[in-house]
Amino acid sequence: DVKVTQSSRYLVKRTGEKVFLECVQDMDHENMFWYRQDPGLGLRLIYFSYDVKMKEKGDIPEGYSVSREKKERFSLILESASTNQTSMYLCASIPQESRANVLTFGAGSRLTVL
Amino acid sequence: QQQVKQSPQSLIVQKGGISIINCAYENTAFDYFPWYQQFPGKGPALLIAIRPDVSEKKEGRFTISFNKSAKQFSLHIMDSQPGDSATYFCAASITGANNLFFGTGTRLTVIP
Repeated sequence: DVKVTQSSRYLVKRTGEKVFLECVQDMDHENMFWYRQDPGLGLRLIYFSYDVKMKEKGDIPEGYSVSREKKERFSLILESASTNQTSMYLCASIPQESRANVLTFGAGSRLTVL
Repeated sequence: QQQVKQSPQSLIVQKGGISIINCAYENTAFDYFPWYQQFPGKGPALLIAIRPDVSEKKEGRFTISFNKSAKQFSLHIMDSQPGDSATYFCAASITGANNLFFGTGTRLTVIP
Protein backbone atom coordinates (compact mmCIF):
# COMPACT_ATOMS: atom_id res chain seq x y z
CA ASP A 1 0.00 0.00 0.00
CA VAL A 2 1.08 3.54 -0.70
CA LYS A 3 2.09 5.32 2.40
CA VAL A 4 2.07 9.05 2.87
CA THR A 5 3.69 10.06 6.13
CA GLN A 6 3.35 13.42 7.79
CA SER A 7 5.98 13.53 10.49
CA SER A 8 4.32 16.09 12.75
CA ARG A 9 0.80 15.18 13.87
CA TYR A 10 0.33 18.09 16.27
CA LEU A 11 2.19 21.39 16.42
CA VAL A 12 1.73 24.52 18.51
CA LYS A 13 3.52 27.62 17.27
CA ARG A 14 3.52 31.31 18.07
CA THR A 15 2.55 34.11 15.71
CA GLY A 16 5.48 35.07 13.51
CA GLU A 17 7.32 31.77 13.82
CA LYS A 18 8.50 29.90 10.75
CA VAL A 19 6.81 26.53 10.43
CA PHE A 20 7.85 23.51 8.38
CA LEU A 21 5.43 20.67 7.66
CA GLU A 22 7.07 17.60 6.16
CA CYS A 23 5.49 14.94 3.98
CA VAL A 24 7.11 11.80 2.61
CA GLN A 25 5.60 9.20 0.25
CA ASP A 26 7.11 5.81 -0.47
CA MET A 27 5.61 4.82 -3.82
CA ASP A 28 7.55 6.97 -6.27
CA HIS A 29 4.55 9.17 -7.08
CA GLU A 30 5.25 12.18 -9.26
CA ASN A 31 2.42 14.39 -8.01
CA MET A 32 2.16 15.65 -4.46
CA PHE A 33 -0.31 18.04 -2.88
CA TRP A 34 -0.87 20.12 0.22
CA TYR A 35 -4.45 20.73 1.33
CA ARG A 36 -5.88 22.64 4.22
CA GLN A 37 -8.99 21.28 5.96
CA ASP A 38 -11.32 23.57 7.89
CA PRO A 39 -14.84 22.84 9.19
CA GLY A 40 -17.48 23.95 6.73
CA LEU A 41 -14.89 24.73 4.05
CA GLY A 42 -13.81 21.22 3.10
CA LEU A 43 -10.41 20.59 1.57
CA ARG A 44 -8.74 23.50 -0.13
CA LEU A 45 -5.64 23.11 -2.26
CA ILE A 46 -2.65 25.19 -1.19
CA TYR A 47 0.09 24.02 -3.55
CA PHE A 48 0.92 21.00 -5.65
CA SER A 49 4.02 19.67 -7.33
CA TYR A 50 4.25 17.38 -10.37
CA ASP A 51 8.00 16.93 -10.33
CA VAL A 52 11.11 17.66 -8.32
CA LYS A 53 11.68 21.39 -7.97
CA MET A 54 8.36 22.08 -9.73
CA LYS A 55 5.42 23.70 -7.95
CA GLU A 56 2.06 25.16 -8.84
CA LYS A 57 -0.20 27.39 -6.78
CA GLY A 58 -3.51 26.00 -5.71
CA ASP A 59 -6.57 27.90 -4.58
CA ILE A 60 -5.15 29.44 -1.39
CA PRO A 61 -1.35 29.85 -1.70
CA GLU A 62 -1.09 33.16 0.14
CA GLY A 63 1.09 32.92 3.24
CA TYR A 64 2.56 29.56 2.21
CA SER A 65 5.47 28.27 0.18
CA VAL A 66 6.62 24.76 -0.68
CA SER A 67 9.79 22.87 -1.38
CA ARG A 68 10.34 19.69 -3.33
CA GLU A 69 14.05 18.84 -3.47
CA LYS A 70 13.50 15.08 -3.69
CA LYS A 71 10.73 13.14 -5.38
CA GLU A 72 9.50 11.52 -2.20
CA ARG A 73 9.43 14.64 -0.03
CA PHE A 74 7.17 17.69 -0.23
CA SER A 75 7.42 20.37 2.44
CA LEU A 76 4.95 23.11 3.29
CA ILE A 77 6.45 26.28 4.77
CA LEU A 78 4.73 29.03 6.68
CA GLU A 79 7.25 31.87 6.63
CA SER A 80 5.54 33.82 9.40
CA ALA A 81 2.70 31.92 11.00
CA SER A 82 -0.52 33.75 11.77
CA THR A 83 -3.52 32.73 13.86
CA ASN A 84 -5.69 32.33 10.76
CA GLN A 85 -3.38 29.53 9.66
CA THR A 86 -4.53 27.38 12.56
CA SER A 87 -5.87 24.36 10.72
CA MET A 88 -5.48 20.72 9.74
CA TYR A 89 -2.99 20.27 6.91
CA LEU A 90 -3.17 17.23 4.68
CA CYS A 91 -0.56 15.97 2.28
CA ALA A 92 -1.49 13.68 -0.62
CA SER A 93 0.15 12.01 -3.59
CA ILE A 94 -0.83 10.36 -6.86
CA PRO A 95 1.12 8.78 -9.73
CA GLN A 96 1.42 10.76 -12.94
CA GLU A 97 -0.16 8.07 -15.10
CA SER A 98 -3.26 7.59 -12.98
CA ARG A 99 -6.40 7.75 -15.11
CA ALA A 100 -8.49 8.05 -12.01
CA ASN A 101 -7.36 10.81 -9.72
CA VAL A 102 -7.16 8.64 -6.61
CA LEU A 103 -5.33 10.64 -4.01
CA THR A 104 -3.59 8.91 -1.12
CA PHE A 105 -3.61 11.14 1.93
CA GLY A 106 -1.44 11.30 4.99
CA ALA A 107 -3.00 11.35 8.45
CA GLY A 108 -2.72 15.12 8.72
CA SER A 109 -0.83 17.71 10.75
CA ARG A 110 -2.90 19.78 13.13
CA LEU A 111 -1.32 23.20 13.55
CA THR A 112 -2.31 25.67 16.24
CA VAL A 113 -0.90 29.18 16.02
CA LEU A 114 -1.17 31.20 19.23
CA GLN B 1 -16.08 29.89 -5.66
CA GLN B 2 -17.04 26.41 -4.61
CA GLN B 3 -16.80 24.11 -7.63
CA VAL B 4 -18.66 21.32 -5.87
CA LYS B 5 -21.50 22.03 -3.45
CA GLN B 6 -22.28 19.43 -0.81
CA SER B 7 -25.17 19.04 1.62
CA PRO B 8 -26.03 18.52 4.38
CA GLN B 9 -23.16 19.70 6.55
CA SER B 10 -24.08 17.18 9.23
CA LEU B 11 -26.37 14.17 9.36
CA ILE B 12 -27.60 11.96 12.18
CA VAL B 13 -29.09 8.60 11.27
CA GLN B 14 -30.36 5.69 13.31
CA LYS B 15 -28.59 2.36 12.96
CA GLY B 16 -30.13 0.47 10.06
CA GLY B 17 -31.35 3.62 8.34
CA ILE B 18 -30.36 5.12 5.00
CA SER B 19 -27.85 7.98 4.89
CA ILE B 20 -28.03 10.28 1.87
CA ILE B 21 -25.48 12.95 1.01
CA ASN B 22 -25.92 15.19 -2.02
CA CYS B 23 -23.48 17.04 -4.26
CA ALA B 24 -23.87 19.36 -7.23
CA TYR B 25 -21.38 20.75 -9.72
CA GLU B 26 -21.34 23.27 -12.56
CA ASN B 27 -18.35 22.37 -14.72
CA THR B 28 -19.55 19.95 -17.41
CA ALA B 29 -15.94 19.01 -18.15
CA PHE B 30 -15.77 17.01 -14.92
CA ASP B 31 -15.67 13.31 -15.74
CA TYR B 32 -14.72 11.62 -12.51
CA PHE B 33 -16.67 11.82 -9.24
CA PRO B 34 -15.16 10.13 -6.18
CA TRP B 35 -16.33 10.01 -2.60
CA TYR B 36 -13.81 10.06 0.22
CA GLN B 37 -14.38 8.86 3.77
CA GLN B 38 -12.46 10.31 6.69
CA PHE B 39 -12.38 8.89 10.21
CA PRO B 40 -11.23 11.06 13.15
CA GLY B 41 -7.45 11.33 13.28
CA LYS B 42 -7.02 9.93 9.77
CA GLY B 43 -6.66 11.33 6.30
CA PRO B 44 -9.49 10.94 3.78
CA ALA B 45 -9.52 7.65 1.84
CA LEU B 46 -11.29 6.79 -1.40
CA LEU B 47 -14.61 5.07 -0.74
CA ILE B 48 -16.27 4.77 -4.15
CA ALA B 49 -16.19 6.63 -7.46
CA ILE B 50 -18.25 6.97 -10.62
CA ARG B 51 -17.84 8.23 -14.16
CA PRO B 52 -20.73 9.95 -15.98
CA ASP B 53 -21.28 7.11 -18.45
CA VAL B 54 -23.30 5.25 -15.79
CA SER B 55 -26.14 6.46 -13.59
CA GLU B 56 -25.43 4.28 -10.60
CA LYS B 57 -22.58 2.39 -9.00
CA LYS B 58 -22.94 0.08 -6.03
CA GLU B 59 -20.29 -1.37 -3.77
CA GLY B 60 -21.72 -3.26 -0.83
CA ARG B 61 -23.90 -0.91 1.21
CA PHE B 62 -22.58 2.16 -0.62
CA THR B 63 -24.23 3.45 -3.80
CA ILE B 64 -23.51 6.51 -5.92
CA SER B 65 -26.42 7.86 -7.95
CA PHE B 66 -25.47 10.18 -10.79
CA ASN B 67 -27.76 12.55 -12.69
CA LYS B 68 -25.81 14.05 -15.58
CA SER B 69 -28.54 16.39 -16.82
CA ALA B 70 -29.05 17.85 -13.36
CA LYS B 71 -25.30 17.88 -12.64
CA GLN B 72 -25.89 16.17 -9.33
CA PHE B 73 -24.64 13.05 -7.64
CA SER B 74 -25.33 11.50 -4.29
CA LEU B 75 -24.02 8.88 -1.90
CA HIS B 76 -26.47 6.46 -0.33
CA ILE B 77 -25.42 4.32 2.62
CA MET B 78 -27.88 1.50 3.17
CA ASP B 79 -28.28 -0.18 6.55
CA SER B 80 -26.11 2.49 8.17
CA GLN B 81 -23.88 1.27 11.00
CA PRO B 82 -22.15 3.11 13.86
CA GLY B 83 -18.85 2.23 12.17
CA ASP B 84 -19.93 4.39 9.22
CA SER B 85 -19.73 7.48 11.44
CA ALA B 86 -17.19 9.66 9.65
CA THR B 87 -16.87 12.75 7.49
CA TYR B 88 -17.68 12.21 3.82
CA PHE B 89 -16.38 14.36 0.99
CA CYS B 90 -17.60 14.34 -2.57
CA ALA B 91 -15.20 15.51 -5.26
CA ALA B 92 -14.98 16.08 -8.97
CA SER B 93 -12.13 16.16 -11.43
CA ILE B 94 -11.16 16.02 -15.05
CA THR B 95 -9.23 12.91 -16.09
CA GLY B 96 -5.55 13.75 -16.49
CA ALA B 97 -5.80 17.00 -14.57
CA ASN B 98 -3.78 17.43 -11.41
CA ASN B 99 -6.51 18.49 -9.06
CA LEU B 100 -9.69 17.29 -7.42
CA PHE B 101 -12.31 19.78 -6.35
CA PHE B 102 -13.80 18.78 -3.03
CA GLY B 103 -17.16 19.49 -1.46
CA THR B 104 -17.31 20.99 2.01
CA GLY B 105 -17.87 17.65 3.75
CA THR B 106 -20.70 15.96 5.65
CA ARG B 107 -20.24 14.74 9.17
CA LEU B 108 -22.30 11.55 9.53
CA THR B 109 -23.20 10.17 12.94
CA VAL B 110 -24.97 6.82 13.12
CA ILE B 111 -26.55 6.27 16.51
CA PRO B 112 -27.07 2.73 17.84
